[in-house]
Amino acid sequence: KQEVTQIPAALSVPEGENLVLNCSFTDSAIYNLQWFRQDPGKGLTSLLLIQSSQREQTSGRLNASLDKSSGRSTLYIAASQPGDSATYLCAVRGLNAGGTSYGKLTFGQGTILTVHP
Amino acid sequence: KAGVTQTPRYLIKTRGQQVTLSCSPISGHRSVSWYQQTPGQGLQFLFEYFSETQRNKGNFPGRFSGRQFSNSRSEMNVSTLELGDSALYLCASSLRTGTGELFFGEGSRLTVL
Repeated sequence: KQEVTQIPAALSVPEGENLVLNCSFTDSAIYNLQWFRQDPGKGLTSLLLIQSSQREQTSGRLNASLDKSSGRSTLYIAASQPGDSATYLCAVRGLNAGGTSYGKLTFGQGTILTVHP
Repeated sequence: KAGVTQTPRYLIKTRGQQVTLSCSPISGHRSVSWYQQTPGQGLQFLFEYFSETQRNKGNFPGRFSGRQFSNSRSEMNVSTLELGDSALYLCASSLRTGTGELFFGEGSRLTVL
């Protein structure tokens, strides 16, 4: 059974800092990994999708890496801003024995990020 | 381009009642998934529909059911509500089943009294 862990559970940083959020998963047989952000009381906003064959993806100030063999992904946020304050969630899609996707996403518990001015 | 639309956004029910939630996916998306989010359990997969067929199902009791219509819109139903069903129910759509990037709606917040 796939388990996804995110560390730290909460992070508070001053504006302008570069930061790294960590995600680990127990089963390396994944189809892809997706990072989301969630604002309080809102739905999830997709940030980056990394296919299992990729090592990293970048979008603006965000960079996500994937090391499938070690079961790890990191989300790097450059020059953090107060508007980045949110909960960041990592989710993986598993692979079944036939090499196709299980379909469902398994989520971590999230990292609550606070960026203060 | 409109995003995923969920209705209603908020609702309050009492134990024993049933509830139906609706989800309209992004135009052109044919796969719809449902997730339950609670403070204790986090986000858990309920089921996925593609071309009006359930493709995957999570570990929820039979009180939780869903369907998808020919226009890809989806509904989920919870019968005989329990206090523990209070949660944010999130719908997500993607172009393909099981593989594509998921785009989520704002959710339907259900409170069971």
